[in-house]
Amino acid sequence: EVQLLDSGGGLVQPGGSLSISCVVSGLTLSNYEMSWVRQAPGQGLEWLSTVSGPGTHTFYADSVRGRFTISKDNSRNTLHLRMNSLRPEDTATYYCATNLPYRENFWGQGSLVTVSS
Amino acid sequence: EVVMTQSPLTLPVTLGQPASISCRSSQSLVFRDGDTYLNWFHQRPGQSPRRLIYKVSNRDSGVPDRFSGSGSGTDFTLKISRVEAEDVGVYYCMQATHWPHTFGQGTKVEIK
Repeated sequence: EVQLLDSGGGLVQPGGSLSISCVVSGLTLSNYEMSWVRQAPGQGLEWLSTVSGPGTHTFYADSVRGRFTISKDNSRNTLHLRMNSLRPEDTATYYCATNLPYRENFWGQGSLVTVSS
Repeated sequence: EVVMTQSPLTLPVTLGQPASISCRSSQSLVFRDGDTYLNWFHQRPGQSPRRLIYKVSNRDSGVPDRFSGSGSGTDFTLKISRVEAEDVGVYYCMQATHWPHTFGQGTKVEIK
């Protein structure tokens, strides 16, 4: 059974930093493109970032480029998102997901990040 | 970026009756490999999204066959042949042909 476990969310002050992770079991991460998608309270889904299977190529939404960094540790089957210079509008539930364009799409349960003073 | 426009934004449905959601993109979603990377997702309140359809018309594993996707180029449709109570929630289209990937605004399906 494939499972994605999001962790690391919490409360952070504006301008602060936070890292969230997604531990994957039941599949070999190096074979899968991985993405982060977020959802602000009561709002729709927003694609943020994608990393290729080998981890060599990364892509970002304009809203987070230069502030967020996606990475994956294939040996530990873990996806990371490092978030710097956080803003109140970054408050959202952050989901990890596999293979958005292809077969075998799985999602984590989500990790809530709140940016507030 | 590619803008995805869904309609309607709210869809009241009757159990057992068909339902249809439209999604239009601001530019063609045909990739250079010839595939069209258009997905449909369903999200129930308090739950993670679940993908129903990928590459326009391919159902994900475990998705009931009452769900079907169609379309090409810039116009796409998700159809539910006979709505069941578990189908309520919000449906999103998403394009993964162009960077950045983009979602539609969402269509809330509710029972009349």
